[in-house]
Amino acid sequence: AQSVAQPEDQVNVAEGNPLTVKCTYSVSGNPYLFWYVQYPNRGLQFLLKYITGDNLVKGSYGFEAEFNKSQTSFHLKKPSALVSDSALYFCAGGYNKLIFGAGTRLAVHP
Amino acid sequence: GAGVSQSPSNKVTEKGKDVELRCDPISGHTALYWYRQSLGQGLEFLIYFQGNSAPDKSGLPSDRFSAERTGGSVSTLTIQRTQQEDSAVYLCASSPGQMRGYTFGSGTRLTVV
Repeated sequence: AQSVAQPEDQVNVAEGNPLTVKCTYSVSGNPYLFWYVQYPNRGLQFLLKYITGDNLVKGSYGFEAEFNKSQTSFHLKKPSALVSDSALYFCAGGYNKLIFGAGTRLAVHP
Repeated sequence: GAGVSQSPSNKVTEKGKDVELRCDPISGHTALYWYRQSLGQGLEFLIYFQGNSAPDKSGLPSDRFSAERTGGSVSTLTIQRTQQEDSAVYLCASSPGQMRGYTFGSGTRLTVV
């Protein structure tokens, strides 16, 4: 069965420090991979996606993600975190439909 | 429309009643998806449509759940004889094609009392 795992329920980071939100997937072949963000009382917003090509994908708000096929990972990264980045982040992957991870709450402290 | 529209935004219903949730996708988007998000949980896939047909309805939790899409546009998710465990936020998303990225609606928060 296809699955997407986000091993951390919450990630805490100080403003200005780099952040990483982890994601691993179990999908056969070469899946499409996405990151979405959900701010309080708002819908999910697209951040970035990997379809094919360059393993480093750049997205909205300064976020990027690195696709690693050998480790079946697609970790979300940002060089310098902002307090306004605090939100719930979802990794998703699949073909005809997206399977979502359970989400990781990012808390950026001043 | 400019975005994916879902109605109602909130619905409180008594246990055992039927409810209908509506999704208006972005005009021209051929793919439409329904997900459920329980409090503090991830998104659970329910069903997806390509045009008016539903190639994958594997996520529907029971036969109390059904969905249809008409005219390649509006979709309705129906839950019959609602139970308290049906309480969740029901999210709809549309896409111009498979795996071209979803645009989500704001969801319908369903509370079964």
